[in-house]
Amino acid sequence: DAGVTQSPTHLIKTRGQQVTLRCSPISGHKSVSWYQQVLGQGPQFIFQYYEKEERGRGNFPDRFSARQFPNYSSELNVNALLLGDSALYLCASSLGIQGVGELFFGEGSRLTVL
Amino acid sequence: RKEVEQDPGPFNVPEGATVAFNCTYSNSASQSFFWYRQDCRKEPKLLMSVYSSGNEDGRFTAQLNRASQYISLLIRDSKLSDSATYLCVVYNNNDMRFGAGTRLTVKP
Repeated sequence: DAGVTQSPTHLIKTRGQQVTLRCSPISGHKSVSWYQQVLGQGPQFIFQYYEKEERGRGNFPDRFSARQFPNYSSELNVNALLLGDSALYLCASSLGIQGVGELFFGEGSRLTVL
Repeated sequence: RKEVEQDPGPFNVPEGATVAFNCTYSNSASQSFFWYRQDCRKEPKLLMSVYSSGNEDGRFTAQLNRASQYISLLIRDSKLSDSATYLCVVYNNNDMRFGAGTRLTVKP
């Protein structure tokens, strides 16, 4: 069975640009969460979507937005990129709301902002 | 104060050693607790959930102390393959908080 898939795996952008990251959850999983992981730190929660509705939001500026599609895949958008947005962006899927069961992470999208 | 705090290590131990990690959390209303493992340049993976009564999975034992707001992970008989970063995770009200992780290196 396919695990959580994310694309692209690596990308380089310049300050002020916009980026869209994509995530496909494990088949049957209805929840997708997004995390930002900076080198040397643990993942920081950005968003959770469950059944296509936003169920949680971390402490990130409005430049970050996300959505979940009817097939439960998800996109994370970041506008007006800053150098500090350089990080590994992880998507995690779960059967239900995060915190109840296991989170299954994808390998991440590594974003470099120059 | 960070919501979830861990000793960053690194912990360097010989094979066969017993090693313990602690994690403290600030939100007393936290509902669920986990340990995740992250290998270098890989994604985190669930090691074990942490239950109020404490729980064991082979060589791994997790404990929760709600009164003192800390979680522990004990690894017995360390293997080379246990080398990784161990992330303490605390959940409350749709918000998952990860600690910065404790790095473990097990040496021959």
